[in-house]
Amino acid sequence: QVQLQQSGAELVKPGSSVKISCKASGYTFTSYDMHWIKQQPGNGLEWIGWIYPGNGNTKYNQKFNGKATLTADKSSSTAYMQLSSLTSEDSAVYFCARVALRYYGSYYFDYWGQGVMVTVSS
Amino acid sequence: DVQMTQSPSYLAASPGESVSISCKASKSINTYLAWYQEKPGKTNKLLIYSGSTLQSGTPSRFSGSGSGTDFTLTIRSLEPEDFAVYYCQQHNEYPLTFGSGTKLEIK
Repeated sequence: QVQLQQSGAELVKPGSSVKISCKASGYTFTSYDMHWIKQQPGNGLEWIGWIYPGNGNTKYNQKFNGKATLTADKSSSTAYMQLSSLTSEDSAVYFCARVALRYYGSYYFDYWGQGVMVTVSS
Repeated sequence: DVQMTQSPSYLAASPGESVSISCKASKSINTYLAWYQEKPGKTNKLLIYSGSTLQSGTPSRFSGSGSGTDFTLTIRSLEPEDFAVYYCQQHNEYPLTFGSGTKLEIK
């Protein structure tokens, strides 16, 4: 069965970076876009961007350009998101989620990871 | 960006009742709207996509309707496991955007 297993919670200092992971299993990792989503209490869900592990292509929400960097390791079926220059505004839960299909109108998420809480604090 | 306005933010109902949740887009998104269920300790679950298509495994008491800018999620005859938070998401264009959520609680 499809599973997206995310790494554990992170406590990081302002100005630093953090890299969180999402290990996929139960399907062909290189054939599906992997998306990342931010959730803050009171701010709802925000889409960050996607990576296609098959060729490394990425697309970002303009709001997260320069903040998030998406990568993928085909050998371990793991997607990564690095967040840089962290501030308190980056404290949130971050999800990875798979998109079922790659064509127009199919950008909905059929599987989600459990989420990673990132806390930015000195 | 397409703004998604979801209402109500909070809803209290009893098992066996029916409820509806609204999601309005700031511009037409055709029929490209998804609904998700969020429950503590579980991963988010896709319920409906393309406005009204039930994801495999979604009980038939869930239904979605709408097109253009106005959409509705209806849950008929609530079961105890339906009490959760529900989100809508437009999947018509990038950046993908979500509603702010509706918390459905037991009355």
